[in-house]
Amino acid sequence: SYVLTQPPSVLVAPGQTATITCGGDKIGSQSVHWYQQKPGQAPVLVIHYDSDRPSGIPERFSGSNSGNTATLTISRVEAGDEADYYCQVWDGSNHPNYVFGTGTKVFVL
Amino acid sequence: QVQLVESGGGLVKPGGSLRLSCAASGFSFSDSYMSWIRQAPGRGLEWISYISRTSTYTDYADSVKGRFTISRDNTRNSVFLQMNNLRAEDTALYFCARNYGDYDPYFDYWGQGILVTVSS
Repeated sequence: SYVLTQPPSVLVAPGQTATITCGGDKIGSQSVHWYQQKPGQAPVLVIHYDSDRPSGIPERFSGSNSGNTATLTISRVEAGDEADYYCQVWDGSNHPNYVFGTGTKVFVL
Repeated sequence: QVQLVESGGGLVKPGGSLRLSCAASGFSFSDSYMSWIRQAPGRGLEWISYISRTSTYTDYADSVKGRFTISRDNTRNSVFLQMNNLRAEDTALYFCARNYGDYDPYFDYWGQGILVTVSS
């Protein structure tokens, strides 16, 4: 099965930029989606198709994808951005088709 | 507005069964693929099953294949997960979600989740 690897945690000060990576073999050839999950809540889609923001998601959230790494960037980090973040791909070549990354906890100092 | 509301969770003994339900509203349910995704305590997200619009296609993660069955009723805007032969490792928060996208799909709507605890 396809494996997506994320760093367990990222620490960032308010107002700074958080960078969350998602590593996978040739992930740049696939579309990557990102979810934010706050404690006790359901995940919320924040980026789809590598870099598109759903309606209602602040412009501070952006994404990119190339080679073996996809990246979620949160600019001007706020306390409310503290959450777990998961990347996800659909891999038609392997089973299971739907794969989530290992997850990254963003701590806002 | 869009709502996905799960029900049917609870405490069950190993080897037991549960049937989860997810009631959808606010979007075209019959035009949507649906999935169940779970999250064990303190762990990450695990997709476990999906069902196509007319139930023609289903798929399961290896961890639940042969024990769980997904189904839907488009007249009731609901999707179900029949869970048999439950194990301690099935203990998790179970989410239903809508699959979206004609290619490389993602999950745009999620329920709040329902807790399933498997313990003697």
